[in-house]
Amino acid sequence: ETGVTQTPRHLVMGMTNKKSLKCEQHLGHNAMYWYKQSAKKPLELMFVYNFKEQTENNSVPSRFSPECPNSSHLFLHLHTLQPEDSALYLCASSQAPLAGGRRQYFGPGTRLTVL
Amino acid sequence: TQLLEQSPQFLSIQEGENLTVYCNSSSVFSSLQWYRQEPGEGPVLLVTVVTGGEVKKLKRLTFQFGDARKDSSLHITAAQPGDTGLYLCAGLPQGGSEKLVFGKGTKLTVNP
Repeated sequence: ETGVTQTPRHLVMGMTNKKSLKCEQHLGHNAMYWYKQSAKKPLELMFVYNFKEQTENNSVPSRFSPECPNSSHLFLHLHTLQPEDSALYLCASSQAPLAGGRRQYFGPGTRLTVL
Repeated sequence: TQLLEQSPQFLSIQEGENLTVYCNSSSVFSSLQWYRQEPGEGPVLLVTVVTGGEVKKLKRLTFQFGDARKDSSLHITAAQPGDTGLYLCAGLPQGGSEKLVFGKGTKLTVNP
């Protein structure tokens, strides 16, 4: 298996539930990212991890909690979400730094619906 | 805050027509990328441009980076239904930032 995989692909949860999104990259990259994609808004960078260390937290509410146990795996733990958190959550990986035209590889995303 | 404005937001054309999508900013970017995203999938990189004035061609797609590295365009010649998708531009701000800035995207539909 190659590339960036994400599970689950679809998730419906209530506002009081706790769930986790998983991302795995098989590309040997050292950086991983979480993005949020909502209708009519640009992709929003949420978190960045370089060599398992969080280097960016883009003012994300604490109900989103990332975890990067190693350079191949990235999780996004969700608790007490709001309906406006419904979106496509995309994971990406790259070889850092991005300067010089390096690319990010995206997973297929998890479509999250919060009821 | 650096923004990338994409236009048009929506575009519906007939097979065989030509089209241009624009990506503009008041900020300078060290590089700019174009992605295509299909429903249910993540964005896939089409091209990266790094030099002001650079033009890159990918079959029927032509990408241009503005001389001042603040804007870019994507031109598709003789569009085909397989070109349908969401086209996103993304820039890496000048100054060493590692945070890609994305435009809102252009949703292209090519009708047979």
